[in-house]
Amino acid sequence: GAGVSQSPSNKVTEKGKDVELRCDPISGHTALYWYRQSLGQGLEFLIYFQGNSAPDKSGLPSDRFSAERTGGSVSTLTIQRTQQEDSAVYLCASSEDGTGGYEQYFGPGTRLTVT
Amino acid sequence: AQSVAQPEDQVNVAEGNPLTVKCTYSVSGNPYLFWYVQYPNRGLQFLLKYITGDNLVKGSYGFEAEFNKSQTSFHLKKPSALVSDSALYFCAVRDGGGGADGLTFGKGTHLIIQP
Repeated sequence: GAGVSQSPSNKVTEKGKDVELRCDPISGHTALYWYRQSLGQGLEFLIYFQGNSAPDKSGLPSDRFSAERTGGSVSTLTIQRTQQEDSAVYLCASSEDGTGGYEQYFGPGTRLTVT
Repeated sequence: AQSVAQPEDQVNVAEGNPLTVKCTYSVSGNPYLFWYVQYPNRGLQFLLKYITGDNLVKGSYGFEAEFNKSQTSFHLKKPSALVSDSALYFCAVRDGGGGADGLTFGKGTHLIIQP
């Protein structure tokens, strides 16, 4: 079946611009996660959704980052006023449920480059 | 807080030999442990997990891992390495008693299988 999809696959933007990253989880998965992968920081957990709600937003790096999920499916991660340190690969994952030991399935990522 | 340590940045193994990729963890509650593999320019692929039960878990592509509670370790193993196993491997943990949350990943270990 279809896996997690993300768009765009690559995004180059100028410093100060806003960007929106999209994630389509596996159908039926109620939990959705955003991570960031960079050379300096490795894999960082950003935010988690169970259904449409995000219980804990403390993993977001700054108040320039926000995320939402609608209809229990598609999620968007928005970065406002991008900075060069935001350059990274942004990974989305989904799982059947956020509780229990369900494994997360990852999308191919969006490579963001801020110039 | 939870953490994962992968003490080796790189592991080199000759094809056909057994391989081990080391992982130790720290978590306050019951550990949910995962191994993922990442091929170049690809997302993370789930290999195997330990939630409860038998300490030896088997996963995809002939990999297995042994959960050792006293040593807080979850080393990844394979009896006979293939060149195609060359990739970046990540160990991850979540606190099973802490409710839903994202995964905490180690820094990753590059596995290089030499023909």
